[in-house]
Amino acid sequence: DSGVTQTPKHLITATGQRVTLRCSPRSGDLSVYWYQQSLDQGLQFLIQYYNGEERAKGNILERFSAQQFPDLHSELNLSSLELGDSALYFCASSAPSGSFTDTQYFGPGTRLTVL
Amino acid sequence: QQPVQSPQAVILREGEDAVINCSSSKALYSVHWYRQKHGEAPVFLMILLKGGEQKGHDKISASFNEKKQQSSLYLTASQLSYSGTYFCGTERENDYKLSFGAGTTVTVRA
Repeated sequence: DSGVTQTPKHLITATGQRVTLRCSPRSGDLSVYWYQQSLDQGLQFLIQYYNGEERAKGNILERFSAQQFPDLHSELNLSSLELGDSALYFCASSAPSGSFTDTQYFGPGTRLTVL
Repeated sequence: QQPVQSPQAVILREGEDAVINCSSSKALYSVHWYRQKHGEAPVFLMILLKGGEQKGHDKISASFNEKKQQSSLYLTASQLSYSGTYFCGTERENDYKLSFGAGTTVTVRA
């Protein structure tokens, strides 16, 4: 158990819908990272937040957005969903420095299925 | 830009050794190695920073050749628990994001 929690574990929805994935980092970690893992695209870095502010941006689509709240939990919002958005979405957190050279601890993931 | 991992897959018997390579065409600042077992989240193994350092974790070690922009992960005297997919993640200098390779599936058989 990494100490990072993600909800829900599974999500099934239809094309065109909007969903919100939630992540709670390990106690004391200020950084939260979001990743997408699909069969055809592999593991993709989406976005990083550090203490409430966006720190780094990867291959995140405009239909996707994220935020980190004052209690440090983070939400990833996916809208106008397409079949290709079906994937495992991981959240990770890291130690206070917020640098990519910190160890990242991954949550169990949310499996999103878009029908 | 995504790093290139090789080989795509390797099958070992317990006790055998293997090397997984991760190459980039761009100058790297750091290389991260993760292992992911089927149906589970990736688990961190180690990070290497530019400077050509070598690190070890039990019988799994890694090196980073800055001149070649290549990192290698060494599985020594493999155990059944080493089975899984190994991913390298690379960070370019001043880029502030991590790009992952496609993964190398390692199967260790008794």
